[in-house]
Amino acid sequence: QKEVEQNSGPLSVPEGAIASLNCTYSDRVSQSFFWYRQYSGKSPELIMSIYSNGDKEDGRFTAQLNKASQYVSLLIRDSQPSDSATYLCAVSGGYNKLIFGAGTRLAVHP
Amino acid sequence: DTEVTQTPKHLVMGMTNKKSLKCEQHMGHRAMYWYKQKAKKPPELMFVYSYEKLSINESVPSRFSPECPNSSLLNLHLHALQPEDSALYLCASSQGGSGGAGETQYFGPGTRLLVL
Repeated sequence: QKEVEQNSGPLSVPEGAIASLNCTYSDRVSQSFFWYRQYSGKSPELIMSIYSNGDKEDGRFTAQLNKASQYVSLLIRDSQPSDSATYLCAVSGGYNKLIFGAGTRLAVHP
Repeated sequence: DTEVTQTPKHLVMGMTNKKSLKCEQHMGHRAMYWYKQKAKKPPELMFVYSYEKLSINESVPSRFSPECPNSSLLNLHLHALQPEDSALYLCASSQGGSGGAGETQYFGPGTRLLVL
């Protein structure tokens, strides 16, 4: 059974701080990793994709991948109240499948 | 443009009704997906169409019937649903050219379904 694990939170950070979201996965052959943001009542929105070990930066977001340790993380710098949402980690699970973690709820307080 | 559209936004139906959900994308994607999402849970894959053919059915009850009329459209026909089927139904699409391994999936806004 392929699994993706995330801490459900809530992760509470003050405005302007760095939020660090973590995800571990069980399938060693997974090749593609995604972070989606989902606001309450809305659909998932792609934030980042990462395929190679190391860091990938896009604006205030940095995704980090370590295939040897089977974890992927998302850092959000200068967190804003508008970043408050559930962040879903998704890992490729074979043909056309994404395996989703349960999501981490992030709360950024002013 | 990474837009996937879904209609209707909201749907209320009785257990004896027949209704359909519609999804459309114009990105040239060849893989399309239906997901079901309950509150505070991650999306749960239901069906995958690849090049207009059903490639994955995650053991979904037959009261849900998918249809892919062409490469841009995906329908989900609903019949004799149960109250526990109330959920957010999400459509997604991906490029569909690489055998599917790890393609980015783009989600539509979803249809919120309530079964009475």
